Amino acid sequence: DAMVIQNPRYQVTQFGKPVTLSCSQTLNHNVMYWYQQKSSQAPKLLFHYYDKDFNNEADTPDNFQSRRPNTSFCFLDIRSPGLGDAAMYLCATSRTGTGREKLFFGSGTQLSVL
Amino acid sequence: AQSVTQPDIHITVSEGASLELRCNYSYGATPYLFWYVQSPGQGLQLLLKYFSGDTLVQGIKGFEAEFKRSQSSFNLRKPSVHWSDAAEYFCAVWGGATNKLIFGTGTLLAVQP
Repeated sequence: DAMVIQNPRYQVTQFGKPVTLSCSQTLNHNVMYWYQQKSSQAPKLLFHYYDKDFNNEADTPDNFQSRRPNTSFCFLDIRSPGLGDAAMYLCATSRTGTGREKLFFGSGTQLSVL
Repeated sequence: AQSVTQPDIHITVSEGASLELRCNYSYGATPYLFWYVQSPGQGLQLLLKYFSGDTLVQGIKGFEAEFKRSQSSFNLRKPSVHWSDAAEYFCAVWGGATNKLIFGTGTLLAVQP
């Protein structure tokens, strides 16, 4: 019954070693979001896709990239992870991206950088 | 700019006691407001939302929230807390022109037996 699935649940990478986090959805929603959540902080939007249209937040570092090869899948690529990138990464979806809709979240991927 | 403030970082209540979590927002127009809950190791789940109309909204798991425009608040309440309510609670506002959901920093709820 899981609708937004994130893999892996825990990811450990080395400083500077590229890493990819994945998200899939069974809801056929148009919009997919990536949030970064550091300990004791609010989830922070990194970027989102409206269908194939990519929308980057102004303050998202260039180190973070995303791909959405089809409706169901979305990937977060961190090209050269730093210690400050250790965080929980949350994927979410919504049907149309309008303000009234609820977001459906995955369980997140906890990224550690050694 | 739109923002959300949750003044209480951590709250502890006894099981069976009532609960109120505070949320204040900053938004120029009528806001779209949300409360999400995050259980340990889980993603966020929507508890309730307010768009317009009745200022007291009911949500899942026995939660309710009241929108008070004069106080720019949207506090979450529950009359009797259960141990399973222990989680982190996030208030959020839809950012209008920014077209994104803006979260507060969360309130971590602990429930004592």
